[in-house]
Amino acid sequence: GQNIDQPTEMTATEGAIVQINCTYQTSGFNGLFWYQQHAGEAPTFLSYNVLDGLEEKGRFSSFLSRSKGYSYLLLKELQMKDSASYLCAVRQNQAGTALIFGKGTTLSVSS
Amino acid sequence: GAVVSQHPSWVICKSGTSVKIECRSLDFQATTMFWYRQFPKQSLMLMATSNEGSKATYEQGVEKDKFLINHASLTLSTLTVTSAHPEDSSFYICSAPPFGRIYGYTFGSGTRLTVV
Repeated sequence: GQNIDQPTEMTATEGAIVQINCTYQTSGFNGLFWYQQHAGEAPTFLSYNVLDGLEEKGRFSSFLSRSKGYSYLLLKELQMKDSASYLCAVRQNQAGTALIFGKGTTLSVSS
Repeated sequence: GAVVSQHPSWVICKSGTSVKIECRSLDFQATTMFWYRQFPKQSLMLMATSNEGSKATYEQGVEKDKFLINHASLTLSTLTVTSAHPEDSSFYICSAPPFGRIYGYTFGSGTRLTVV
């Protein structure tokens, strides 16, 4: 079977750093994606990892360890607008196939 | 960048009626479109994959006669919820796979369906 686990909820304060973890057990692996989703809206793409290591993109960074089936999304200098759901998704097969999503982590940023 | 236009954004329909949701790729050709359903506080669950020129592929447990998917052209994919029931009320969203130098999957804006 396939399983993608993330914490359900996290809270943090403005200006802080938060790390959202994701573990996965899938039949195949061809990339891990992080998306941000505000309530009632479409997910927006944040990052993509297919090789081990850290990918940095402004205030957001994502890390992947394929041997451990583990990824994290790091958000720095948190802002109120970062309050959203963060979705971890795995592509199991070749490019062009569907993503399988975790349940998402709801992040609440307070002042 | 790639844009997928999804309509309608929200729809309320009576139980037993059918509702059609459209997804159009505006500035690229999408030979494949993924359809997801999301219940409140739940993840996006893949329902089916539509392919231009061939039959859609449905995930296990999804009724193909209830959720009709058509990929009429390289820029249009539709999902029709037939004989809708209140339990079909959900957020439906389409997604096109990456192409060229774009890594991320492009999502439509979603359709909130409420069946009364």
